[in-house]
Amino acid sequence: DTEVTQTPKHLVMGMTNKKSLKCEQHMGHRAMYWYKQKAKKPPELMFVYSYEKLSINESVPSRFSPECPNSSLLNLHLHALQPEDSALYLCASSQEGVEAFFGQGTRLTVV
Amino acid sequence: GEDVEQSLFLSVREGDSSVINCTYTDSSSTYLYWYKQEPGAGLQLLTYIFSNMDMKQDQRLTVLLNKKDKHLSLRIADTQTGDSAIYFCAEVYNQGGKLIFGQGTELSVKP
Repeated sequence: DTEVTQTPKHLVMGMTNKKSLKCEQHMGHRAMYWYKQKAKKPPELMFVYSYEKLSINESVPSRFSPECPNSSLLNLHLHALQPEDSALYLCASSQEGVEAFFGQGTRLTVV
Repeated sequence: GEDVEQSLFLSVREGDSSVINCTYTDSSSTYLYWYKQEPGAGLQLLTYIFSNMDMKQDQRLTVLLNKKDKHLSLRIADTQTGDSAIYFCAEVYNQGGKLIFGQGTELSVKP
């Protein structure tokens, strides 16, 4: 099983809303990632969790708040987003940085 | 700093071979990856190569690595219309498992 599952697949939210993106993997991977991807551009790293601790924050605005409740789950809490935050949000997991597997992403639209 | 470069477009005819090229700058990278992204989808890990190898073959895919020139290529034999997608090369940067992606090569396969 090399599956990373993300929910929801699509999300439309207003600028005053609070929502959460969810990611789950059952491969026993100890590193999990959030990436943001704009159309026709490469993914950009946002956060890395290693052994359930935040190890990298790529200077992401505080309106994005990651959470790793356990080794299989990764959340991204969203609050007071801007229209320019509309993008595909990708979750990935890997074991010690080898073979990073990505989910199908959440297509986020901020209105 | 880290940088990965790819040409943006490649067009081939069905049945031909496709060769997608990539150059990278971080000579300490241990693994180099090729991902495929179809429209509206997440990233699919196609293959990866360890930095002490110079070639890896997996069915229709052949990866060549020239570590001296920091050049990576992906050859797809007998290219099919289903291979039309954006292909990203990526290198692992530092211990955190952060992936640095190229800009992506859009492969168009004409019947």
